[in-house]
Amino acid sequence: TQLLEQSPQFLSIQEGENLTVYCNSSSVFSSLQWYRQEPGEGPVLLVTVVTGGEVKKLKRLTFQFGDARKDSSLHITAAQPGDTGLYLCAGVLPLDSGGGADGLTFGKGTHLIIQP
Amino acid sequence: EPEVTQTPSHQVTQMGQEVILRCVPISNHLYFYWYRQILGQKVEFLVSFYNNEISEKSEIFDDQFSVERPDGSNFTLKIRSTKLEDSAMYFCASSSYPGDTFSYTFGSGTRLTVV
Repeated sequence: TQLLEQSPQFLSIQEGENLTVYCNSSSVFSSLQWYRQEPGEGPVLLVTVVTGGEVKKLKRLTFQFGDARKDSSLHITAAQPGDTGLYLCAGVLPLDSGGGADGLTFGKGTHLIIQP
Repeated sequence: EPEVTQTPSHQVTQMGQEVILRCVPISNHLYFYWYRQILGQKVEFLVSFYNNEISEKSEIFDDQFSVERPDGSNFTLKIRSTKLEDSAMYFCASSSYPGDTFSYTFGSGTRLTVV
């Protein structure tokens, strides 16, 4: 059972286009994070969201946490080739949902390719 | 920018051998973690460590695994008798205090290949 479903699994678009990738769950998360991972490297934290409905911006990236804290989205405006990578969402399940103290549950990620 | 350092970057070992993966967390962080990522699969939580003891562990972290903080800077993961299915990237991470997901920092990983 996938606790965090990410979609799409693969996305290839042209430079300058906008895109949105999604992270969905049937479970409520106390917080949710987005990471970017390059091949052969560790995940690099982009943002943490903790409040339902929260929106955070990081330059051309906009992150939103769903009102019910079960889902999140990442929107990239005017994508550039440097945005190419694997985008992972990860969350901490509350203790009363079977989660632990703070072991992160990861999704499988969205492989994003931005073509020049 | 502070970083989590892992050594070696790549380790090849024979099945049944013991391996020790090493990590130097960020110096003022107090909470340490190990994760693994089998090729093509998602990142999976193994164990968290705080105040010189295991705080939480997953089902993956069985008796073949152990963690230790032998001195004030290193944090190690030992696999006692490696199996082929232990081949994976192993990531160390640290955070400043328990439950702090804002300072979560991963290392670059150790690629373990069991032959």
